[in-house]
Amino acid sequence: DVKVTQSSRYLVKRTGEKVFLECVQDMDHENMFWYRQDPGLGLRLIYFSYDVKMKEKGDIPEGYSVSREKKERFSLILESASTNQTSMYLCASSFSLGANVLTFGAGSRLTVL
Amino acid sequence: DQQVKQNSPSLSVQEGRISILNCDYTNSMFDYFLWYKKYPAEGPTFLISISSIKDKNEDGRFTVFLNKSAKHLSLHIVPSQPGDSAVYFCAAIHSGTYKYIFGTGTRLKVLA
Repeated sequence: DVKVTQSSRYLVKRTGEKVFLECVQDMDHENMFWYRQDPGLGLRLIYFSYDVKMKEKGDIPEGYSVSREKKERFSLILESASTNQTSMYLCASSFSLGANVLTFGAGSRLTVL
Repeated sequence: DQQVKQNSPSLSVQEGRISILNCDYTNSMFDYFLWYKKYPAEGPTFLISISSIKDKNEDGRFTVFLNKSAKHLSLHIVPSQPGDSAVYFCAAIHSGTYKYIFGTGTRLKVLA
């Protein structure tokens, strides 16, 4: 089975801190994604990567950046955390474009105080 | 503009009965649809999918129906079990793109 591992399940940070969320997948998937999930808003795409060092903005990229230096690893960076970034962050991967199953990690619950 | 809508935020069903979760979409270019289940503090897990060339797909207790003319998708769970209590998200994508569009979710509660 494809496994998507998010290194931190729960984080508490202070406003203005830099935050790194790490994600690793073990099935050689081309595409990796970062979503955030908020009650009543569903899952919203922050950033997407279709290859090493390649990235595209999703629907809500403001305040975030990403890094993909290796195929299996996709990092989400909050340069200066704010309270409105308190959320559940979900990493996902898929084999290729289009009609494929998106496989999610367990999620990282970030609280910014 | 919400392209994928789940208009029922919550649903309660008795154990053993059928659960029907609904999803509507507006973009006729979508050609692949998925359902995910999510427990609190966990990531979504894939349940079942359907391609637009089909109108039904079954996997055990789960069946997804697609009505392309109505742009409507539904997930049937029969029989419902207490362990099915979770939030269910539908998602849609157009082949050749990367962008999965998710609905806002329906919280299903199966009562024992």
